[in-house]
Amino acid sequence: EVQLVESGGGLVQPGGSLRLSCVASGFTFSDHFIDWVRQAPGKGLEWVARTRDKANSHITDYAASVQGRFSISRDFSKSSVYLQMNSLNTEDTAVYYCVRAIDGSYDSWGQGTQVTVSS
Amino acid sequence: DVVMTQSPLSLPVTLGQPASISCRSSQSLVYRDGNTYLNWFQQRPGQSPRRLIYKVSNRDSGVPDRFSGSGSGTDFTLKISRVEAEDVGVYYCMQGAHWLWTFGQGTKVEIK
Repeated sequence: EVQLVESGGGLVQPGGSLRLSCVASGFTFSDHFIDWVRQAPGKGLEWVARTRDKANSHITDYAASVQGRFSISRDFSKSSVYLQMNSLNTEDTAVYYCVRAIDGSYDSWGQGTQVTVSS
Repeated sequence: DVVMTQSPLSLPVTLGQPASISCRSSQSLVYRDGNTYLNWFQQRPGQSPRRLIYKVSNRDSGVPDRFSGSGSGTDFTLKISRVEAEDVGVYYCMQGAHWLWTFGQGTKVEIK
């Protein structure tokens, strides 16, 4: 069974940093794209970042709204994906989901981790 | 980016009655491999999104057959044949044909 478990969310002041983690299990980690998708309070779903599979050299991509502030990475020994978030602002407040991307779709979602940016 | 437009944004329905949600894309979602990458997700209150339908009309395992997807090109529809109480939530369409992938605004389904 595919599982994605996020952690690392919390309350942080504007300008601060946070690192989210996503532990993956139930599939060959290096063979899949993994994305972070977020949902601001009462709002819709917004793609944030992507790390591609081994065949695509794990190339990364970022939404324009987080480019230069967020960084996505993998630890293969731990089957984990991380989202390092710097220079956070109130607009980054959201639930952050780790999702497996496959064949033009998201087939598995984590439970999400809440990030709140507030003074 | 491909813009996904859902309608209606709010859908009050009577239990046991049908419901229909429309999703339109600003570009054709037919990929060069011939597949059409249009997905539907359900997000129940307080839960993570869950995929219901992929490639227009393929239901995920465990999804009741009262849910069906149809459409082609730029126009797509999610239908619920008989709404049940557990269907309350927000439904999103999403395209995976063009990078970057994009979501519709969401349609909130509630019981009248």
